[in-house]
Amino acid sequence: DQQVKQNSPSLSVQEGRISILNCDYTNSMFDYFLWYKKYPAEGPTFLISISSIKDKNEDGRFTVFLNKSAKHLSLHIVPSQPGDSAVYFCAATDSNYQLIWGAGTKLIIKP
Amino acid sequence: DGGITQSPKYLFRKEGQNVTLSCEQNLNHDAMYWYRQDPGQGLRLIYYSQIVNDFQKGDIAEGYSVSREKKESFPLTVTSAQKNPTAFYLCASSDRDTQYFGPGTRLTVL
Repeated sequence: DQQVKQNSPSLSVQEGRISILNCDYTNSMFDYFLWYKKYPAEGPTFLISISSIKDKNEDGRFTVFLNKSAKHLSLHIVPSQPGDSAVYFCAATDSNYQLIWGAGTKLIIKP
Repeated sequence: DGGITQSPKYLFRKEGQNVTLSCEQNLNHDAMYWYRQDPGQGLRLIYYSQIVNDFQKGDIAEGYSVSREKKESFPLTVTSAQKNPTAFYLCASSDRDTQYFGPGTRLTVL
């Protein structure tokens, strides 16, 4: 049973527009959420995180929103740039040192 | 320069042979992890270690073995018992909730 779900395998967005990547989770014990970006044949790179005590965290062009009641989080990238084309993974933890990963969403930024 | 290194980047082995993938970190992190990624799939946890001389099985540990004799090193051995060893292998380390990854090793079994 997938505890972290990214239901969109891929997303295509025009350069300059906003990209919104979504993630749902089922375990209410998760208290820390992370987004990673991954290029082909490379290790994932940590992007941004959010604690369950917050509902928003912003870092430059990247903002993560958390809706605990809906068990949903989203990553907003604005404006989208060609270098943002990658696979984005959502992950969650209940502070036991393990991350539970979503399957990833491939983001394609069109020129 | 702090970080996580994995070597080699590409590795080939014949069916039936064991092979060991290297992972070293100089971030002074206590916890280390091994993941496997297959095409079109997410990351699956093979083994993890929260402290030296201790490690735990992840979701897909069968056919793999690890050791954690030093804080900096967490080698993964892919044994001949692993049915589908061809994959991209990722090592990570963490001090708390955030994991940091190495560049990965692509293993191909011929």
